[in-house]
Formats: sequence, C-alpha cells, structure tokens
Amino acid sequence: GENVEQHPSTLSVQEGDSAVIKCTYSDSASNYFPWYKQELGKGPQLIIDIRSNVGEKKDQRIAVTLNKTAKHFSLHITETQPEDSAVYFCAASTSYSSASKIIFGSGTRLSIRP
Amino acid sequence: EAGVAQSPRYKIIEKRQSVAFWCNPISGHATLYWYQQILGQGPKLLIQFQNNGVVDDSQLPKDRFSAERLKGVDSTLKIQPAKLEDSAVYLCASSRDRNTGELFFGEGSRLTVL
Repeated sequence: GENVEQHPSTLSVQEGDSAVIKCTYSDSASNYFPWYKQELGKGPQLIIDIRSNVGEKKDQRIAVTLNKTAKHFSLHITETQPEDSAVYFCAASTSYSSASKIIFGSGTRLSIRP
Repeated sequence: EAGVAQSPRYKIIEKRQSVAFWCNPISGHATLYWYQQILGQGPKLLIQFQNNGVVDDSQLPKDRFSAERLKGVDSTLKIQPAKLEDSAVYLCASSRDRNTGELFFGEGSRLTVL
C-alpha cells in the first residue's frame, strides 16, 4: 500500500523567511496530493492540492511542486507570518475521486520566530 | 455555513471502559469519515460512510470499535472495551460526496485511556 514520508518533523524559521516541507510517496499510481494545515486544537484544513498532470501550483504565498519521476512533492511558504505556525500534513491518494484513498504523512510542526 | 461538529471535546476513561463520540457533518455532505490521530502522527482512516451505508471499514478494529450513521446524517463512533493504545484524537470529517477529494474536519475528540 501507499506510504508517505514527510520531512522535517519540526521546522523553525524567522518571520519573513521561506519554509519548505518535503514529502515522498511510494505508490507510483498516486495522482492527487493535498496539503492540510492543523492549528492547535483544530482539525486539519486543506490549504492547497495538486494533481499529477501539473508540476507546480501557486496560491498567494503558498506553492506546491511535484516530481512524479522521483515520487516527491514539496510545500513552499514564502514571506512567513506568525499565523503560519501550525502542523502541516502532506498526503497522497491514488484516486482524486475517493478521499478514503488519502494517506497522510506524519506531519511537520512549523514555528515562526518573531 | 456551520462546520463539522463533534462532542465531547475531551474524554478520560480507564481501560476496559466504553466511550462514544458523536459527529454532525456539514449540512448536505453525503460522505462522512472517522479518523484516528495518534500524537505525532497523521490522521488514519477508520471508517467511511456514504449516506448511511459503509463504504470502507477495512482499518476499523471491529472487535472493539463500532460506528453507525443512522438516517445518513449524524454518526456515532463507539469503543468497547478501550485499551491504552486507543488514546488519540478522533476526528470526524465530511465531504460533499465520495467523488470529492476535499475533507472538512471537525475539531476532534481527544480520548485518554488510563
């Protein structure tokens, strides 16, 4: 079955700097890669996603890149702000049409230093 | 639009006792999911409902966990008897239908088994 590995487990960056979180997946059939943000005491919330027919996607300060050959994808956050502090989960799915196929990584705790 | 509601937020029980968690999904969402999130890990799917039918319960420990979604709206997840390793946050999520990838999570129910 699918296995998603996520690095680093913790990340601390200076406010205004960029943060990068990397994930690898094992199942070459995976074609949908969402990223979720979980704030303290809250449930995860989708922040961006990418499908396998696209190499990069941007939404304001957030971007995701996908390398299908190497089976890895990354989340980039530019100009980090205090409200970016949270736990971020990458995920992979072999079917965009079924959320039950989504396998989550173990999470990255991002801290933004003032 | 109201989000996914869960209760109780916190529960402490002793091993071998029973516990039940309740979830009310976003209005109109046909698909409902229960996830288990152990500290430091990503969410792991326990069971998926489409309306009031089970779509996937392959990862549900059926000897002690049960779930139902009567009338295709609210859902209850029960654990009986609880073990120490069941200590986790139980997240309920919903999606518009099974063909939609985005999950909307509730705030979770944190279970501590002593």
